[in-house]
Amino acid sequence: AQSVTQLDSHVSVSEGTPVLLRCNYSSSYSPSLFWYVQHPNKGLQLLLKYTSAATLVKGINGFEAEFKKSETSFHLTKPSAHMSDAAEYFCVVSVYGNKLVFGAGTILRVKS
Amino acid sequence: EAGVAQSPRYKIIEKRQSVAFWCNPISGHATLYWYQQILGQGPKLLIQFQNNGVVDDSQLPKDRFSAERLKGVDSTLKIQPAKLEDSAVYLCASSPKPGGETQYFGPGTRLLVL
Repeated sequence: AQSVTQLDSHVSVSEGTPVLLRCNYSSSYSPSLFWYVQHPNKGLQLLLKYTSAATLVKGINGFEAEFKKSETSFHLTKPSAHMSDAAEYFCVVSVYGNKLVFGAGTILRVKS
Repeated sequence: EAGVAQSPRYKIIEKRQSVAFWCNPISGHATLYWYQQILGQGPKLLIQFQNNGVVDDSQLPKDRFSAERLKGVDSTLKIQPAKLEDSAVYLCASSPKPGGETQYFGPGTRLLVL
């Protein structure tokens, strides 16, 4: 069965330093993978998605993720954190083309 | 373009009462989803509609949860009777095409069952 594991429940970084949110996936075939962000009291917003094209995917707000089949990973990165990046981030795998299976989430804290 | 609308935003009820949530998807989106997000967990799909037909309701607790999407536009999710463990955020999402992977989420309804 397709699933994702987010390796950190909480990540804390200082403003201006790099962000790394880790995600490993399990899939019996080439998956579609996503990162969504959820700000407090707001809906989930799509950051980026991978659908078997380029392995390095660029998203909104300076985020990017790299699909590594050998490591079954899809980590989310950003070179320099901003206070507005503080939120909860979900790694997601698509099952049967349209059913989304979410990871447990990683809460990102950005310190000034 | 207006986003996915949900109401109410918050609801507090006592156990064994009933409650209903409403969702209006983005105009023209054929696919509509309801998710349950329990505190500390990722959203879990409850039911998926394609127009006004159910595609997947395998994780919907049918003894107490029901959902409908009359006329293939807006949708209602009902819980009757509610249990303490139903306390969660209920998210509605829609997709622009049948089987489309990109889903657009509403702000959610936060339910507290006392």
